[in-house]
Amino acid sequence: SQELEQSPQSLIVQEGKNLTINCTSSKTLYGLYWYKQKYGEGLIFLMMLQKGGEEKSHEKITAKLDEKKQQSSLHITASQPSHAGIYLCGAVQTGANNLFFGTGTRLTVIP
Amino acid sequence: DTAVSQTPKYLVTQMGNDKSIKCEQNLGHDTMYWYKQDSKKFLKIMFSYNNKELIINETVPNRFSPKSPDKAHLNLHINSLELGDSAVYFCASSPFVWNTEAFFGQGTRLTVV
Repeated sequence: SQELEQSPQSLIVQEGKNLTINCTSSKTLYGLYWYKQKYGEGLIFLMMLQKGGEEKSHEKITAKLDEKKQQSSLHITASQPSHAGIYLCGAVQTGANNLFFGTGTRLTVIP
Repeated sequence: DTAVSQTPKYLVTQMGNDKSIKCEQNLGHDTMYWYKQDSKKFLKIMFSYNNKELIINETVPNRFSPKSPDKAHLNLHINSLELGDSAVYFCASSPFVWNTEAFFGQGTRLTVV
């Protein structure tokens, strides 16, 4: 079965604090994708990781994929209210051709 | 120019009705998808089409019938709507080879009353 475990399910942080969201698969992944969703809106692509050990950054958001390509983390530095939303990790398994998602993490940033 | 557009954005209908949601992508992608997002925000794949051919059909009731008239369109038709069908439905597209992200539509919020 295709499963992605995301943790935590929800997160409330004070503005300016750092935070990390994790995404774990029981199987080796072909690619790992991070999306953000604001309430009532579509999914905004953040980053894609394909190589073991890969790390990418965009503004204050950094995503890493472990060497085994089974676990990824999304780190936000100095969080801002604009970072609030639902963060979804998605993955394509090796040999498969569909994108399936984790359970999501709801992030609230308190000003 | 919207990459993946789906209509309508909101749909309120009574139980037992039949409704359709349309999706179009102008990215030249080979593969299109329908996802269902429930009240807990879990996004679950329903169907995947590659070049108008069905390649994934998860355990979805046969009241849901996708139709792909061409590579750029994947419509979702739902018969005999039930209360449990209320959700947000997302259309997405991607290249067949996963070297880039999947692009998502804005979603259709379906409410069955």
